[in-house]
Amino acid sequence: DAGITQSPRHKVTETGTPVTLRCHQTENHRYMYWYRQDPGHGLRLIHYSYGVKDTDKGEVSDGYSVSRSKTEDFLLTLESATSSQTSVYFCAISGGGPTMNTEAFFGQGTRLTVV
Amino acid sequence: RKEVEQDPGPFNVPEGATVAFNCTYSNSASQSFFWYRQDCRKEPKLLMSVYSSGNEDGRFTAQLNRASQYISLLIRDSKLSDSATYLCVVNTNAGKSTFGDGTTLTVKP
Repeated sequence: DAGITQSPRHKVTETGTPVTLRCHQTENHRYMYWYRQDPGHGLRLIHYSYGVKDTDKGEVSDGYSVSRSKTEDFLLTLESATSSQTSVYFCAISGGGPTMNTEAFFGQGTRLTVV
Repeated sequence: RKEVEQDPGPFNVPEGATVAFNCTYSNSASQSFFWYRQDCRKEPKLLMSVYSSGNEDGRFTAQLNRASQYISLLIRDSKLSDSATYLCVVNTNAGKSTFGDGTTLTVKP
């Protein structure tokens, strides 16, 4: 399995509090992504990164910010959590290997509940 | 229009049926193509890569049509254990991955 870990795996937080999710990779992949997935829905891209300090918005970026200060870490921050941000969050990586074009790998997900 | 679009589904088929999923992509410079499988509440995992000449892995066959910019996945002799969501993924030559929304398959006894 690819070396990608998410932390925490589960979190319950109160509305209005800041929350940071961490994605850590040991694969030296160029791209890192944060997705959310809600029941009955596909993956929705929140933000992605194409290098250290290089990030871009996805389709559902409102209310979220990201940072990538090192190749291996990609942080997702909810500045002020709302109940609509209750979801499962997946981190993914891609752009590795000798051709920089291997398949993507996913972390195991973080289940976030905002009460 | 999304960069990668899949059949909306859901697909409900009996055991033993053959089912096909299609996926279209808009970036003509796309370089690599994949099918992923996602089981309920789990992370997506690679099912198979898609090669230009088409490729087969047991009951699964993947095809790529660059001219029409679509990929397909054919599942023969469906099993109950094939029930899952299937996602197509398209990579640029720089390695950026774009995922389709997925198609849900339910195989019934």
